Amino acid sequence: DVKVTQSSRYLVKRTGEKVFLECVQDMDHENMFWYRQDPGLGLRLIYFSYDVKMKEKGDIPEGYSVSREKKERFSLILESASTNQTSMYLCASSFRTGSETQYFGPGTRLLVL
Amino acid sequence: AQSVTQLDSQVPVFEEAPVELRCNYSSSVSVYLFWYVQYPNQGLQLLLKYLSGSTLVKGINGFEAEFNKSQTSFHLRKPSVHISDTAEYFCAVSKAAGNKLTFGGGTRVLVKP
Repeated sequence: DVKVTQSSRYLVKRTGEKVFLECVQDMDHENMFWYRQDPGLGLRLIYFSYDVKMKEKGDIPEGYSVSREKKERFSLILESASTNQTSMYLCASSFRTGSETQYFGPGTRLLVL
Repeated sequence: AQSVTQLDSQVPVFEEAPVELRCNYSSSVSVYLFWYVQYPNQGLQLLLKYLSGSTLVKGINGFEAEFNKSQTSFHLRKPSVHISDTAEYFCAVSKAAGNKLTFGGGTRVLVKP
């Protein structure tokens, strides 16, 4: 079974803090994704990576950065957390092409106070 | 750019009744279409996908969807729902030549006894 794990299920941070969200997959997938999930808006792509050290901006990259130093690990960084970044964050991975299924982690619910 | 509209944000349904969840998309290029399900407090998992060929696609847990190119729709159906089908359902589209998904806003299905 494909497994995508995220470092925390719940996280509470203060405004201005630097926040790291970690994601690890065990299926040797080339692609990894970070999404933000908000009620009524579905999932919106923040960043994705198609190879080690490679990244592309998604639809809402402002206020976020990412790091992919190893194929199995993809980190999302909030440089200075703000209250409007309170949300559910979902990581996913897949093989390279658009027809491939994305496999999701359980999500991290982040609250920024 | 492509977009996805899920026409119903919530669908209440009685157990053993049929359900249909509507999804329309817009894209100027060929696309792949997906339905994902998110059970409470979990990540998303694939229900089914349309890549090519037969327009009627069967997925897991008795769900099926029909691709209609002329109406740019990909509606999801189940003839008889169970309490365990209570979840949020997401329609998504990717370009045939790409590897990113665009999601709809989601439809919450509440199955009542």
